[in-house]
Amino acid sequence: GNSVTQMEGPVTLSEEAFLTINCTYTATGYPSLFWYVQYPGEGLQLLLKATKADDKGSNKGFEATYRKETTSFHLEKGSVQVSDSAVYFCALTSKGDKVIFGPGTSLSVIP
Amino acid sequence: DAGVIQSPRHEVTEMGQEVTLRCKPISGHNSLFWYRQTMMRGLELLIYFNNNVPIDDSGMPEDRFSAKMPNASFSTLKIQPSEPRDSAVYFCASSLVAKNIQYFGAGTRLSVL
Repeated sequence: GNSVTQMEGPVTLSEEAFLTINCTYTATGYPSLFWYVQYPGEGLQLLLKATKADDKGSNKGFEATYRKETTSFHLEKGSVQVSDSAVYFCALTSKGDKVIFGPGTSLSVIP
Repeated sequence: DAGVIQSPRHEVTEMGQEVTLRCKPISGHNSLFWYRQTMMRGLELLIYFNNNVPIDDSGMPEDRFSAKMPNASFSTLKIQPSEPRDSAVYFCASSLVAKNIQYFGAGTRLSVL
């Protein structure tokens, strides 16, 4: 079945550091891939998405590239801010199925 | 649009009591999802509806949990009787169709004493 694996957290970084959160997936067909973010006390919200191989999703300085050959969709940001502290969820959908979420990776950015 | 609206935001109840959580999805969305989030188990899909019809309830933990969607603009998740292990944040989400972007409500934080 479809599944998503994310790097274990929590991740703690200093402000302006480079961020990578790894995500790999298993899916039949050609899934769409997503990153959602959950800020403290809130529900999840879409951060970015990519719908086909080699697509790059981007938003708020975050980027992720759909790599079919490595079944990966790693999230990156060049310079994190304290306001980026949140939980990040990688997710996928494939051919009419509901969205499958990864376990989430908690990020704390310290000044 | 007001987004997905959940009520109440916080609920504190005693073990054995009935709890009803409410959700109003975004107008025009055809799919609705109920999730539970805890530190131990993360985000779990409980049930989802397409066009008001329950499609997959395999995540509902046991018979104490039930969900309904009587019309396109309202859904409930009921726990009867509630137990302390049901304490969690419950999220409702909606989307145009099941595989599209989901929009989450702010959640209901349930504490069962």
